[in-house]
Amino acid sequence: DSGVTQTPKHLITATGQRVTLRCSPRSGDLSVYWYQQSLDQGLQFLIQYYNGEERAKGNILERFSAQQFPDLHSELNLSSLELGDSALYFCASSVDGGETQYFGPGTRLLVL
Amino acid sequence: GNSVTQMEGPVTLSEEAFLTINCTYTATGYPSLFWYVQYPGEGLQLLLKATKADDKGSNKGFEATYRKETTSFHLEKGSVQVSDSAVYFCALLSSGGGADGLTFGKGTHLIIQP
Repeated sequence: DSGVTQTPKHLITATGQRVTLRCSPRSGDLSVYWYQQSLDQGLQFLIQYYNGEERAKGNILERFSAQQFPDLHSELNLSSLELGDSALYFCASSVDGGETQYFGPGTRLLVL
Repeated sequence: GNSVTQMEGPVTLSEEAFLTINCTYTATGYPSLFWYVQYPGEGLQLLLKATKADDKGSNKGFEATYRKETTSFHLEKGSVQVSDSAVYFCALLSSGGGADGLTFGKGTHLIIQP
């Protein structure tokens, strides 16, 4: 158990809909990262937040957004969903944006 | 940009065999290098890491040495077990002061047969 929690574990929705994925980092970690794992793209970095502020952006689509709240939990919002958004979404956390990132169990999203 | 290339599987070995999974990278500066493991239905677990050239990371019998001259970070284990069956990801983190995400290879599916 990494100490990073993600909810929900599974999510099934329809094209065009909007969903929110939630992540709670390890106690004391200030940085949260979001990754997408799909069969065709592999594991891709989406976005990083540090202590409430956006710190780095990866291959995140404009239809996706994230935020980190004062209690340091983070949410990833996916809107206007397409079939190709079906994937496993991981959250990771680290102490200060440093090197070792600890991953949560993931949220499996299926868009029908 | 940064990239990681690793051998694609599946790699099938018998128990107690020697394991090597190749990983090479392209990055500017001096990245940190990682191996993560993903067991079926689970998230990624950090297996080992190395933060500078010639460092050797090791854990649970696995080892990898950061080779700057060949831009490689090959994973090795002397005697694999059935329980080592999983997907292994090589990854790098660029040396940008903590403002970045990991760049992953495509993963190598390892199958150990009894």
